[in-house]
Amino acid sequence: SQQGEEDPQALSIQEGENATMNCSYKTSINNLQWYRQNSGRGLVHLILIRSNEREKHSGRLRVTLDTSKKSSSLLITASRAADTASYFCATEGSGTASKLTFGTGTRLQVTL
Amino acid sequence: KAGVTQTPRYLIKTRGQQVTLSCSPISGHRSVSWYQQTPGQGLQFLFEYFSETQRNKGNFPGRFSGRQFSNSRSEMNVSTLELGDSALYLCASSFSSEQYFGPGTRLTVT
Repeated sequence: SQQGEEDPQALSIQEGENATMNCSYKTSINNLQWYRQNSGRGLVHLILIRSNEREKHSGRLRVTLDTSKKSSSLLITASRAADTASYFCATEGSGTASKLTFGTGTRLQVTL
Repeated sequence: KAGVTQTPRYLIKTRGQQVTLSCSPISGHRSVSWYQQTPGQGLQFLFEYFSETQRNKGNFPGRFSGRQFSNSRSEMNVSTLELGDSALYLCASSFSSEQYFGPGTRLTVT
């Protein structure tokens, strides 16, 4: 079963705009990770935020985590056509190292 | 470092057959996890091996099994294939919490 839901399911923006994706989960976690997947290929790790962190940055990516609401958001600033992909959040639960539970994913389309 | 490799990349099998998929992790990574991805169920955890021992297991029937060798390479086996086993099977290796995924094996069961 999937841990959480992602919102929106699909997002279409123009190059240069910001894209925000949200993720909700159900149980307590050690960390939450975001991955990108291009067109049915393997997943690429983007960023990891630990349960005691509230915000993390990596290049054009900004992730927030609110453990009280069991939610996270991924912001991609100044999007590019190459950012077109599906984005998944994944949680690593307490006591379940290396077992990731994935959300449903957000399909991002960035047009020129 | 070379990334995670999976073989074969594509596979077509008939219902009732069995299949073995292979995964070579990044050098130095001792943990290997397997996931199934389908349009209906999304990404689901199958199992994880660490130092040749199954450490975690997902909610899949016993037809799905795996093993890990002393060099950390892993195989997963699906016996008595069903149409619903058609999926992208992803392998990931890790040293800590971040997982590095291979390109996947696309299995089609006819």
